[in-house]
Amino acid sequence: DAGITQSPRHKVTETGTPVTLRCHQTENHRYMYWYRQDPGHGLRLIHYSYGVKDTDKGEVSDGYSVSRSKTEDFLLTLESATSSQTSVYFCAISESVLQSNEQFFGPGTRLTVL
Amino acid sequence: AQKITQTQPGMFVQEKEAVTLDCTYDTSDPSYGLFWYKQPSSGEMIFLIYQGSYDQQNATEGRYSLNFQKARKSANLVISASQLGDSAMYFCAMRAGATGTASKLTFGTGTRLQVTL
Repeated sequence: DAGITQSPRHKVTETGTPVTLRCHQTENHRYMYWYRQDPGHGLRLIHYSYGVKDTDKGEVSDGYSVSRSKTEDFLLTLESATSSQTSVYFCAISESVLQSNEQFFGPGTRLTVL
Repeated sequence: AQKITQTQPGMFVQEKEAVTLDCTYDTSDPSYGLFWYKQPSSGEMIFLIYQGSYDQQNATEGRYSLNFQKARKSANLVISASQLGDSAMYFCAMRAGATGTASKLTFGTGTRLQVTL
């Protein structure tokens, strides 16, 4: 299994508070991604990174920011959490030298915003 | 814009039987990749199989095969000899654009497969 960890695995917070989720990889893969999973929507891309300090927006980026200061770490920040951001968040990694460039996923973080 | 459609919210199959999970896609990019992932009740996402848009043959991985019909824009997953452990949610996903760049995926809404005795 790809070495991807996410922390915390579960978090309950209140509306208006800042939240940071961490993704850590040991595979030295270039690309990292954050998705959210909600019933009826599958997974949707929030932000992704194509290198240290290089990030871009995905489909549902409003209300989220990211940072990548090291190859192995990709942080997702909710500056002021809202109830609509209650979701399961998945981090993923990929490496383009692989023919399929498939993504390997972390275990997920369940976030509840009250 | 890319779109993935999975029209079967839920499916049942008997153990040892084969089952086909449907996936249709839409993209204007001539180069793309199609993926299937499995999500068991424990929640992790497990990569199953990949098909590139220029691949001449349908992809196979053990009991999984991908029935790729380019003209119909479909990429159905076939699971042969179903096992109880195959009970899970299955997601079809697409990467638009060639490999060598970030593999931004668009996912379908998933099909929940239940394998029965």
